[in-house]
Parts: sequence; structure tokens; C-alpha cells
Amino acid sequence: KQEVTQIPAALSVPEGENLVLNCSFTDSAIYNLQWFRQDPGKGLTSLLLIQSSQREQTSGRLNASLDKSSGRSTLYIAASQPGDSATYLCAVSPSYGKLTFGQGTILTVHP
Amino acid sequence: GAVVSQHPSWVICKSGTSVKIECRSLDFQATTMFWYRQFPKQSLMLMATSNEGSKATYEQGVEKDKFLINHASLTLSTLTVTSAHPEDSSFYICSARDRTESNEKLFFGSGTQLSVL
Repeated sequence: KQEVTQIPAALSVPEGENLVLNCSFTDSAIYNLQWFRQDPGKGLTSLLLIQSSQREQTSGRLNASLDKSSGRSTLYIAASQPGDSATYLCAVSPSYGKLTFGQGTILTVHP
Repeated sequence: GAVVSQHPSWVICKSGTSVKIECRSLDFQATTMFWYRQFPKQSLMLMATSNEGSKATYEQGVEKDKFLINHASLTLSTLTVTSAHPEDSSFYICSARDRTESNEKLFFGSGTQLSVL
């Protein structure tokens, strides 16, 4: 059974810091890996999707890497802003659509 | 980007009643929708896969007779929690894929917080 673990569970940083969120998964036979942002009352927003054959994806200040063999992914956020405050979720998929989520990292960026 | 509308956002009901949650794709057609739930301080867990025009596929441990899923059109899937009990209190959220898009991003609704008294 696939298990996804995210570290740290919570993170509080001052504005402007670069930060790294970690995700690990137990079964390397994945289809893809996604990072989501969850805001209260607003559901989930897909940030980055990495196919199993890819090593990383970038979007603006966000960069996600994937090391499938070791079962790890990191989400790098550059120059953090208060608006980045949210819960960040990592999810892996053994086949299309069936996501297994981690418990998330609660990020707080204070001015 | 694609928008998935989910209603209601929250609902409080008495034990024994049924609750229907709607998930609509507003500007795209979704052949497949997925239903997840999240208990407090736990991960989102897939409940079932809803396919337009056919029966839903339920994950292990999810009672199909309790959680009725209907996906009668390409833009609407509904989840009905029948005879709800306090242990069904949870955050329910749907997701869908734009069938015309080549990428595989899933778009999520805003979720429904269900509280059963």
C-alpha cells in the first residue's frame, strides 16, 4: 500500500526566505506526482505535476523535483511571500486520477 | 483555467438524514470525476471514481450503498450520503479532468464540510 509522508508538518518563516518542503513515498511505481496548494474554503489548486519520467518542473517561484528511485520529491519556494501561506499537499498516482495524498505541510509566511 | 463548482460548501444535518453533494465542471466536460474525503488531521483519501454513464468504482472499505454516486452527464456528478451518522462527518471534495486537455492536471472543487449531529 502506498504511503506518502510530508515533512515538516508545519513551517513558519519570515517573508523573503527560500524554503523546501519534502515529500516521500513508499512505492516507486508511480504514474506521476503532483504538488497542490489547499486554502481554507477554496479546495485544492494544482501547482506542479511531474510525470514519472521527469526529474523536475518549474513554475514561477516554484520548483519541484522528483527522485523516483529513492521515493522523494521536494518543493522549493523562492522568495516566499505572505500570500504563499497555505497547506501544501504532495500526492502520487499509480494510475491516472487515483491520488494518494500526504498529510500536508502548513506554511505560514509572516511579514 | 478549468473550474469545478462544488455545492454546498458546508452542511449540518441530523443523524439518519441523507445529504447530496454536487460537483459540476463549469467550462469543460469531465468523463471522469473523483470523490475524496478528509477526516480531521488526516490525508485526503480517495473514495470512488465516477464515470459518466456507468457505475462508480469504489475504493476498498467504502460502502457503495451508503455513498451513492451518480454521474449522469459530462458536467455533473453527485455524491449522496445516505442515512448519515456522526462518523460520516468529514470534508468531502471532488476532482475532475478536462477530457479535451492533453495534460493530466486534475481540477478540484472547493469541498463540502459535512457535520452530522
